[in-house]
Amino acid sequence: GQNIDQPTEMTATEGAIVQINCTYQTSGFNGLFWYQQHAGEAPTFLSYNVLDGLEEKGRFSSFLSRSKGYSYLLLKELQMKDSASYLCAVMDSNYQLIWGAGTKLIIKP
Amino acid sequence: GAVVSQHPSRVICKSGTSVKIECRSLDFQATTMFWYRQFPKQSLMLMATSNEGSKATYEQGVEKDKFLINHASLTLSTLTVTSAHPEDSSFYICSARALSGNTIYFGEGSWLTVV
Repeated sequence: GQNIDQPTEMTATEGAIVQINCTYQTSGFNGLFWYQQHAGEAPTFLSYNVLDGLEEKGRFSSFLSRSKGYSYLLLKELQMKDSASYLCAVMDSNYQLIWGAGTKLIIKP
Repeated sequence: GAVVSQHPSRVICKSGTSVKIECRSLDFQATTMFWYRQFPKQSLMLMATSNEGSKATYEQGVEKDKFLINHASLTLSTLTVTSAHPEDSSFYICSARALSGNTIYFGEGSWLTVV
């Protein structure tokens, strides 16, 4: 079956760095997405990786290793507004998104 | 970036009535639109995938006669919840994939409360 795993919850301190991991097993691969979702709101797009390596976009970076079925989202210089759920999703061979359950990130002052 | 607009953002309806939610891609053409629902503190659950000009593909367990999806143009898909019941109260989110590329953008979501 298809499966996306990511930690349920993480806690980090304002100003610090946090890495949210995502491992996946899917039928086919057409890219991996990271989304941020604040409570009560729709997800917003953060990144899309289809090739191995690190993609940096401001304070957020996303890494992909297709051979390992692994990705991480790296958040630097954490701010209180970064408290949210972070969703990992993989697009399979049918171009359907397979979603992880999301990681709730709690930022403490 | 690409914008997907969803309307209404909040709607309250009476049990037994129908309510329509619209999803529009404002600055790109979307071949495929997805409809999700999300219960509080739970993951997104895909309800159906709609392709422009063809019938929607529903996920297992989603009643196609209850959740009517129409994707009449490359920029508009609608979800109609028919004979709404209180248990249909949820957050409904649409997303759209552009003709070019694989990135999927989300609408703002619609809160449905059935009383």
